[in-house]
Amino acid sequence: AQSVTQPDIHITVSEGASLELRCNYSYGATPYLFWYVQSPGQGLQLLLKYFSGDTLVQGIKGFEAEFKRSQSSFNLRKPSVHWSDAAEYFCAVGPNSGGYQKVTFGIGTKLQVIP
Amino acid sequence: SAVISQKPSRDICQRGTSLTIQCQVDSQVTMMFWYRQQPGQSLTLIATANQGSEATYESGFVIDKFPISRPNLTFSTLTVSNMSPEDSSIYLCSVWAGVGGGNTIYFGEGSWLTVV
Repeated sequence: AQSVTQPDIHITVSEGASLELRCNYSYGATPYLFWYVQSPGQGLQLLLKYFSGDTLVQGIKGFEAEFKRSQSSFNLRKPSVHWSDAAEYFCAVGPNSGGYQKVTFGIGTKLQVIP
Repeated sequence: SAVISQKPSRDICQRGTSLTIQCQVDSQVTMMFWYRQQPGQSLTLIATANQGSEATYESGFVIDKFPISRPNLTFSTLTVSNMSPEDSSIYLCSVWAGVGGGNTIYFGEGSWLTVV
């Protein structure tokens, strides 16, 4: 069965500092990986996804993520955090089979940005 | 992409009552889903809403508690029946946008339910 681990429940960074949110997955084949962001009082917005090809994926709002098969990881990064990035971030994994299959979400990482 | 509208966005409900949440998508989609997000927790899939047939429920969720309708390819409803405080959650409608939509899951804004 597939699973996702986000080891950091809560992270605090200073505005302007770099950010890395960790995501480790368990899946027996090539996964389909997602990062979503949930701002307070909002639904989930897709930041980026990895399906195939280049393992460094660019997303919206200046975020990027790198798929590392050897480490079963898909960490999210941003070089300089803005106060508006304060939100909860969810990593998700699903089978990469060309169509929809059940997607499993991590528990989320809550990001706090301080001045 | 797909634009998903949910209503109500928020509600406070009395214990023992039922509430129906509506989900409208701006394009026809094959697969629609309902998720629950309990306070401080991740998303849990309740069921897949199937057009023209009964929904497919995940383990731990039953039709009597969460009846779902899917009359067409752009609309679905989820009813939370006989509510208790444990049902206080965010309920999220989502769709799978296939090749033409980027092979991605899109979410509505969520319906925040508080049961008192």
